[in-house]
Amino acid sequence: ETGVTQTPRHLVMGMTNKKSLKCEQHLGHNAMYWYKQSAKKPLELMFVYNFKEQTENNSVPSRFSPECPNSSHLFLHLHTLQPEDSALYLCASSQADRSNQPQHFGDGTRLSIL
Amino acid sequence: GENVEQHPSTLSVQEGDSAVIKCTYSDSASNYFPWYKQELGKRPQLIIDIRSNVGEKKDQRIAVTLNKTAKHFSLHITETQPEDSAVYFCAASRDRGSTLGRLYFGRGTQLTVWP
Repeated sequence: ETGVTQTPRHLVMGMTNKKSLKCEQHLGHNAMYWYKQSAKKPLELMFVYNFKEQTENNSVPSRFSPECPNSSHLFLHLHTLQPEDSALYLCASSQADRSNQPQHFGDGTRLSIL
Repeated sequence: GENVEQHPSTLSVQEGDSAVIKCTYSDSASNYFPWYKQELGKRPQLIIDIRSNVGEKKDQRIAVTLNKTAKHFSLHITETQPEDSAVYFCAASRDRGSTLGRLYFGRGTQLTVWP
């Protein structure tokens, strides 16, 4: 299934670096999401975009900056991250309307902070 | 907001036995309940879902039951196989309001099926 594509798959960066994660969905959905998944922890919702507008920011530190230029693309810009930010970052998309549709996930970006 | 509790956190069964994972939710307006399976190193994948207008849904060896009154739903896997080993997440969602489309996830259950 290639409905939601994330790049890169793996990223190693130092704490002073700036990098960006990219997500693209080919499903015609109108909502996109960023999740953080740490080892042995539940999925943590970070950001929600609905029709390109950010509708939710779950108290995420400002070193994570999302960008949604259109309903098919979502970015997560990273700057001066901390070692505890090492995790799997998952992107998902869905058709957020009154028909209650599931979210479809990408393969994630495995991020390691040195 | 919605709060989804999931139990157990780990579950080990012998191949061929059944496995049951239970979730509870707090928001009576939640009306959509998907279940995701995440194998090691892979993405969460939807395996089955249920809407609040039905009480049970089956797909081969997998079934989900929903009790709206008690606000709980369960995943049942029969005749388990080693390839069923994975982390399973339950979730709840509602089809209206400011949180439209947002999924509230349980903490996950690590299922291990021993051959």
